[in-house]
Amino acid sequence: SQQGEEDPQALSIQEGENATMNCSYKTSINNLQWYRQNSGRGLVHLILIRSNEREKHSGRLRVTLDTSKKSSSLLITASRAADTASYFCATSDLTGANNLFFGTGTRLTVIP
Amino acid sequence: DTAVSQTPKYLVTQMGNDKSIKCEQNLGHDTMYWYKQDSKKFLKIMFSYNNKELIINETVPNRFSPKSPDKAHLNLHINSLELGDSAVYFCASSRDLEAGDRGQFFGPGTRLTVL
Repeated sequence: SQQGEEDPQALSIQEGENATMNCSYKTSINNLQWYRQNSGRGLVHLILIRSNEREKHSGRLRVTLDTSKKSSSLLITASRAADTASYFCATSDLTGANNLFFGTGTRLTVIP
Repeated sequence: DTAVSQTPKYLVTQMGNDKSIKCEQNLGHDTMYWYKQDSKKFLKIMFSYNNKELIINETVPNRFSPKSPDKAHLNLHINSLELGDSAVYFCASSRDLEAGDRGQFFGPGTRLTVL
């Protein structure tokens, strides 16, 4: 299975703290993406990092990618209560089909 | 101005019935997708489709079939519904087979319950 795994499964932090989520995957990839899902809603794309990139920033988000370890991390700095959601990593493989293979998700709770 | 819309939002039906879920995108994207999210929140790709090619995940039963009347629509038809089909189904679209930097745009989901 190409399904990735995320760690931790659940994370609870105080507002203002940083949140780090990790993702591991199994196959060679074209790119890795992070998505956010609020309860009962669809997924929202956050950031994409290509296989030849090691780090990318977008606002309060920082993503790293280590293709040798087949892992990625998502850091959310200065968290807010509104960041409470589930976060999924998704990989796009080398077939060119752009199908996404999602990780198991991390449920983040930011306590005001 | 919803980018990717799905109808219905909720669908409750009896086992053995045939049902459809509609999806429309107004982004001018070339590729559309269907995903299934089960009760444990696992998301799995079912289909991807552009105007040239349908790619089917080999684990999807042939009771599921996507139908695209035009580039902006990819509807999901399900025959002979089974209890295990209960899940949330998400439609998504992207610019083309290349991801670009904006990833895929997801619809709000359709929660299917098979009784």
